[in-house]
Amino acid sequence: EVQLQQSGAELVKPGASVKLSCKTSGYTFSNYYMSWLKQMPGQNIEWIGNIYGGNGGTGYNQKFKGKATLTVDKSSSTAYMDLSSLTSEDSAVYFCARRGHSYWYFDFWGPGTMVTVSS
Amino acid sequence: EIVLTQSPTTMTASPGEKVTITCRASSSVSYMHWYQQKPGASPKPWIYETSKLASGVPDRFSGSGSGTSYSLTINNMEAEDAATYYCQQWLTFGSGTKLEIK
Repeated sequence: EVQLQQSGAELVKPGASVKLSCKTSGYTFSNYYMSWLKQMPGQNIEWIGNIYGGNGGTGYNQKFKGKATLTVDKSSSTAYMDLSSLTSEDSAVYFCARRGHSYWYFDFWGPGTMVTVSS
Repeated sequence: EIVLTQSPTTMTASPGEKVTITCRASSSVSYMHWYQQKPGASPKPWIYETSKLASGVPDRFSGSGSGTSYSLTINNMEAEDAATYYCQQWLTFGSGTKLEIK
């Protein structure tokens, strides 16, 4: 059974950074891309970027370049996302989602991590 | 960049009613995916490649469309179908349709 487990909620101060994790199981991590997505309260879903589990190759939404940095640890089948220079606009729920082999279809999702940026 | 416009934004349906949600793309696309999201939960894959039901999705749901117009249809609305539905094509998501039960 494919599972994506995300790290717990974060309360961070403006200007700080935070690192979110997405630990996977139930499939071959190195054969798939992992995407990260952002959803602000009551808002639409935005694609941040993705990373290939096999070689760590990345692609980013231009909007999030410089904000988000994606990495993987193949040994633990875990994907990470660093968010830097946080502002109130970064307060949101962040999801990791496996990108299936079909047409950019996100076939498994983590439960999400809520990030709150507040002083 | 493709823009996806969903309609309606919100709607209310009675049990047993037929429901259709539309997603229009700003230019022609070859497929559409759909997700269901309930409050406090992550989006669930629902329909992929326009018309294929994800695992566990009831067969009262169907998807269709081509070009710039795609739709998700529910035959015989049930209470459990109340949720927000998002269409998605490549990197872009629609703004969602909130479906409520009467």
